[in-house]
Amino acid sequence: DTGVSQNPRHKITKRGQNVTFRCDPISEHNRLYWYRQTLGQGPEFLTYFQNEAQLEKSRLLSDRFSAERPKGSFSTLEIQRTEQGDSAMYLCASSPFRTSGTSTDTQYFGPGTRLTVL
Amino acid sequence: KQEVTQIPAALSVPEGENLVLNCSFTDSAIYNLQWFRQDPGKGLTSLLLIQSSQREQTSGRLNASLDKSSGRSTLYIAASQPGDSATYLCAVLNDYKLSFGAGTTVTVRA
Repeated sequence: DTGVSQNPRHKITKRGQNVTFRCDPISEHNRLYWYRQTLGQGPEFLTYFQNEAQLEKSRLLSDRFSAERPKGSFSTLEIQRTEQGDSAMYLCASSPFRTSGTSTDTQYFGPGTRLTVL
Repeated sequence: KQEVTQIPAALSVPEGENLVLNCSFTDSAIYNLQWFRQDPGKGLTSLLLIQSSQREQTSGRLNASLDKSSGRSTLYIAASQPGDSATYLCAVLNDYKLSFGAGTTVTVRA
């Protein structure tokens, strides 16, 4: 178990540029989540996948944001035409999902990608 | 919409003192509640998870209680140490997503 990994750890970009982040979940976990955390706030839910299917997107996820999880393994989060308000820590988490009942499993978080938009 | 509030926002104590961190939430239909630790610029480390059917969980010097009906949880850290200095986040799970509070930033003075 190597934990959830995210790359890059830091990204500095100029306003208007596109950026892409990658998340590699714990290998046996079929659920993957993206959260965004701004300074002084708790993380806010953006979207989640069960295997390759994107099942829910928050209203925080504008049209400039797109997330994918091809083949139900790693996931990418792309932000097009970045704005200064996109500056934040982007956190990825994964969890197992068992069909036996309610989803009570712990979400394991990666170290995050810190985005700075100049 | 689930709202999670943490009080106080910041706390500074001398080493050895016990810490009490509070968390409240508006929707009691939760699956579980987690307490996380976050060091500056870092990701989240899970400290304790309390299932909705449980009243408390303990791990070493940490003890967390849950009163689901009143929408409250408390994290106790006994005999604080400078290494406990961090931000502590409370999060509740509704269906698939966690809703977080803004955190309590703790400073333990040596």
